[in-house]
Amino acid sequence: QKEVEQDPGPLSVPEGAIVSLNCTYSNSAFQYFMWYRQYSRKGPELLMYTYSSGNKEDGRFTAQVDKSSKYISLFIRDSQPSDSATYLCAITQGGSEKLVFGKGTKLTVNP
Amino acid sequence: NAGVTQTPKFRILKIGQSMTLQCTQDMNHNYMYWYRQDPGMGLKLIYYSVGAGITDKGEVPNGYNVSRSTTEDFPLRLELAAPSQTSVYFCASTGGAGWTQYFGPGTRLLVL
Repeated sequence: QKEVEQDPGPLSVPEGAIVSLNCTYSNSAFQYFMWYRQYSRKGPELLMYTYSSGNKEDGRFTAQVDKSSKYISLFIRDSQPSDSATYLCAITQGGSEKLVFGKGTKLTVNP
Repeated sequence: NAGVTQTPKFRILKIGQSMTLQCTQDMNHNYMYWYRQDPGMGLKLIYYSVGAGITDKGEVPNGYNVSRSTTEDFPLRLELAAPSQTSVYFCASTGGAGWTQYFGPGTRLLVL
């Protein structure tokens, strides 16, 4: 079983839709959960970072972590064409451990 | 702060040639990483460093070498380039809470 599983999509939605992006993981020792956004031909950039279970909101974006299910989600409300990108989840145990990345989900928001 | 910078942006190599991908960060981060990204395959860790003079292999180190003589620089060396090394290469460094990584803009490499 891979450490992190992420549906690669692609996902295409109309402008204004609510988008749900998800990852599952296998190691219960993971404690830090991140979402990166990567525009075409650019490097990934950190979008949100959470520690422990629960929700974290930042504008139109909400990151959700359910440690009991080993499931993390990113919700985008009122999606915009500028949200069109690949979204990668990343998790780590922290300390000196490396990040483990999902394969990324390509999202297109159509005007 | 420039963050993480990478050079060159794009390069075409012939099979068997060698080259060095440059990476520099100005955030005084101890941890630095090299990844390759192939279409639909996510990021694969090639090498990483926890500080000057200390490097270690990642998931896909074969065909690559690294060195870390300073905190700022972490060059990646390709010896005897092969078509399988055609990819986009990203350098990253770690700092801040939760070990979040900051990425450079990438180097696109084509081996023909």
